[in-house]
Parts: sequence; C-alpha cells; structure tokens
Amino acid sequence: DSGVTQTPKHLITATGQRVTLRCSPRSGDLSVYWYQQSLDQGLQFLIQYYNGEERAKGNILERFSAQQFPDLHSELNLSSLELGDSALYFCASSSHGGGEKLFFGSGTQLSVL
Amino acid sequence: SQQGEEDPQALSIQEGENATMNCSYKTSINNLQWYRQNSGRGLVHLILIRSNEREKHSGRLRVTLDTSKKSSSLLITASRAADTASYFCATDGSPGGTSYGKLTFGQGTILTVHP
Repeated sequence: DSGVTQTPKHLITATGQRVTLRCSPRSGDLSVYWYQQSLDQGLQFLIQYYNGEERAKGNILERFSAQQFPDLHSELNLSSLELGDSALYFCASSSHGGGEKLFFGSGTQLSVL
Repeated sequence: SQQGEEDPQALSIQEGENATMNCSYKTSINNLQWYRQNSGRGLVHLILIRSNEREKHSGRLRVTLDTSKKSSSLLITASRAADTASYFCATDGSPGGTSYGKLTFGQGTILTVHP
C-alpha cells in the first residue's frame, strides 16, 4: 500500500459529462501529481501541485482542471468528456516539489461511452 | 512526446535468467528513476539514480546511468515469475529547468518471466 488514496476506482460516464477524481496524498507529502495512462499515449504528466499551489503543468487539456486543497487532498475535474478521455488516471505524491521518488495511487479507470 | 524511450518493448525469459532493459532520454536530467507496474495497477518505485552517479544496486536490481550517452539500463538478476510486470524509466529534469519536478515516463518494457 503506497499510502495514496484515489477515488473512485472505476467511473463510467457518457460523452459531454463532467467528472471529479479525488486523491489523498501520503501523510506529510506536500506535492500531488496527476498522470493519465492510455494505450496510445502511455503515461502523460498532467499537472503538479505543491502545498496548494500549481507547480508544473504538462499536457493537460483546457477541459481539465485541478486543485489542491488546504488539507492537501487534490481533485482533478474533467469536463465535456470525449471518448478519447477514456484512460487510467493516476495520482502520485511526494514529500517536496521535485527530485525525488513518487508514490502512486491505484488509479481511477475512466470509461467514457 | 516521451522523454524516455525504452528498449526492448517486450522481453520474455525463463525464471533464473537475467533481464536487461534499456532507456534513452533526450535532455539533461536531475535524476532517472525506474518504476514497475503490475497489470492495470499503480506504479511502484524501484530505484533512483542521480545524474552524478554511474551505478546503483538494490537487492536483485542494478541500474547504470551514462549521462554522456543519455542512457540507462536496469538489470534484474535471477528473475522470478513474480517479476512479470511492465517496467518504466522516468526522468526528472534539472532544478530550475522547465521539466524539474515532473517525471516524464517512457513507454515501458513488458517483462514476462516464465516459471
């Protein structure tokens, strides 16, 4: 068990809908990262938060947004969903803001029908 | 695009044999890490090697890093059926750089160890 909790584990929704994925980092970790994993794109870095502030941004679509709350949990919001958004979404956490190993959650499998 | 490119894409060996996976990357790095993923599950960190290190060991794992060639290799010795998984290299950019703190993953090597 990595100590990173992601909910829900599975999510099935329709095109055009909006969903929220939730992540609780390991106790004491200040950084949260979001990754998307799909067969064609592999593991893509989406965004990183450090102690409530956005730290780094990757290939995150404008339809996607995230935030990290004062209790350090994070949410990834995906809107106007398309079939191509179907993927495994991972959250990871680390103690600081970079240069260290990440602890991954078990992921949220999103299926857009 | 992916920073790390892994080779081979798939590797099939017998228990007890060694498995070697290679990773190449494009830009300067702060460190390079290897992760393991069992089918459809979260990634697990295996080992981290810093840019000023050339070799590192952890149990049956041996990682080398050649920054002049921008490449790394992961060796798993005396493999077991339980080592069957996907293995990913990931690079962390240099401090102060635009890629610092955001690990960039390769496409991974699928390792199958037959009992």
